[in-house]
Amino acid sequence: DAGVIQSPRHEVTEMGQEVTLRCKPISGHDYLFWYRQTMMRGLELLIYFNNNVPIDDSGMPEDRFSAKMPNASFSTLKIQPSEPRDSAVYFCASSFPRTGQDGYTFGSGTRLTVV
Amino acid sequence: GENVEQHPSTLSVQEGDSAVIKCTYSDSASNYFPWYKQELGKRPQLIIDIRSNVGEKKDQRIAVTLNKTAKHFSLHITETQPEDSAVYFCAAFRSGAGSYQLTFGKGTKLSVIP
Repeated sequence: DAGVIQSPRHEVTEMGQEVTLRCKPISGHDYLFWYRQTMMRGLELLIYFNNNVPIDDSGMPEDRFSAKMPNASFSTLKIQPSEPRDSAVYFCASSFPRTGQDGYTFGSGTRLTVV
Repeated sequence: GENVEQHPSTLSVQEGDSAVIKCTYSDSASNYFPWYKQELGKRPQLIIDIRSNVGEKKDQRIAVTLNKTAKHFSLHITETQPEDSAVYFCAAFRSGAGSYQLTFGKGTKLSVIP
């Protein structure tokens, strides 16, 4: 399996622009998570899905952030409009609890820089 | 919700010495405790985990202990090597009641000095 695949790996955008991050979970995994990592705040859970349905979005910072999972193999995290304080590494992770392991498999992350 | 505290935030050890990282959690219903290692510029990767029905688990040079009464768990790395240098994250997991998520500690930056 290729693991959790995220794109792009790096994104540099100007303040006010729309940014879309993409994630393909491991095939068969039914949970998908979006995390944001910064030096100050560590790993923060933004939102997670189960069977393509958003379960908890309480970590989404504000209305500028939105996430979708139109099918089991694809999810997007969108920021519109972007701000410099959104600069961070965004990780997607997936899991399949019924295997008995509740740990997540992370993607390689997208490093977002908003200038 | 769950709160996970991790200490220390940075740790330097000589190669060959042991390293210990400690975490506490707040939700007594948490039942799964994984540890992740994140090398610079890379993704967090699961290195070892423990469930609440077990007190200790070992895998070669790494071990994790869990004290459910005190709500704390620790990562032990013996005979440290330079390639152990990374940021280590503990996490606590609770499922049920409509929730299924890991809560992470803030991380410990481990430096192994050759």
